[in-house]
Amino acid sequence: GAVVSQHPSRVICKSGTSVKIECRSLDFQATTMFWYRQFPKQSLMLMATSNEGSKATYEQGVEKDKFLINHASLTLSTLTVTSAHPEDSSFYICSARGVEGALVYEQYFGPGTRLTVT
Amino acid sequence: DAKTTQPPSMDCAEGRAANLPCNHSTISGNEYVYWYRQIHSQGPQYIIHGLKNNETNEMASLIITEDRKSSTLILPHATLRDTAVYYCIVRVAGSNYKLTFGKGTLLTVNP
Repeated sequence: GAVVSQHPSRVICKSGTSVKIECRSLDFQATTMFWYRQFPKQSLMLMATSNEGSKATYEQGVEKDKFLINHASLTLSTLTVTSAHPEDSSFYICSARGVEGALVYEQYFGPGTRLTVT
Repeated sequence: DAKTTQPPSMDCAEGRAANLPCNHSTISGNEYVYWYRQIHSQGPQYIIHGLKNNETNEMASLIITEDRKSSTLILPHATLRDTAVYYCIVRVAGSNYKLTFGKGTLLTVNP
């Protein structure tokens, strides 16, 4: 199956600093990437959708100036949490959808990044 | 997107078939049914999807009723590693492929 990686898997940062999370599709070209957030004992909540080379589309209630998304290539998207605060502590998960030749890849998810803001 | 209803939890004995139901009575003709699962503290894993025909792959089978108002995910021989939260999701074709996750069903496979 398709593989999506995320880096780092865990990060601890101090309040007020920024953190960048990378999401890569390893064996297919991701025309669309998605970023989700999951709080403890809750389901995944979609934050934003990005198509390669275009600006991300954010879900209602998600601050685009706080959560910067870049999808500059067909295999890489980044999420930067700017001026992080303790309430931003969460499990951040990316997913990618794309094509490789005649194959269509449905949304495949990365392993997630655990962000803790102290 | 149509709303889905799943039981909050189910148990299954190891080696037996696990049948996970999903109700999507308001589904439209152009909406697909997707199944994902999430093992604790990991990203969701794609399992299978379908429109109106039954589907089978190496992981599971998806049975969709003729009126498409409900579906069942079947894991033919459940193992302890199948313990996870299973999400049934309905997605509109061409909707930029957004998935809306509900609360899912926690399947516990017991030895």
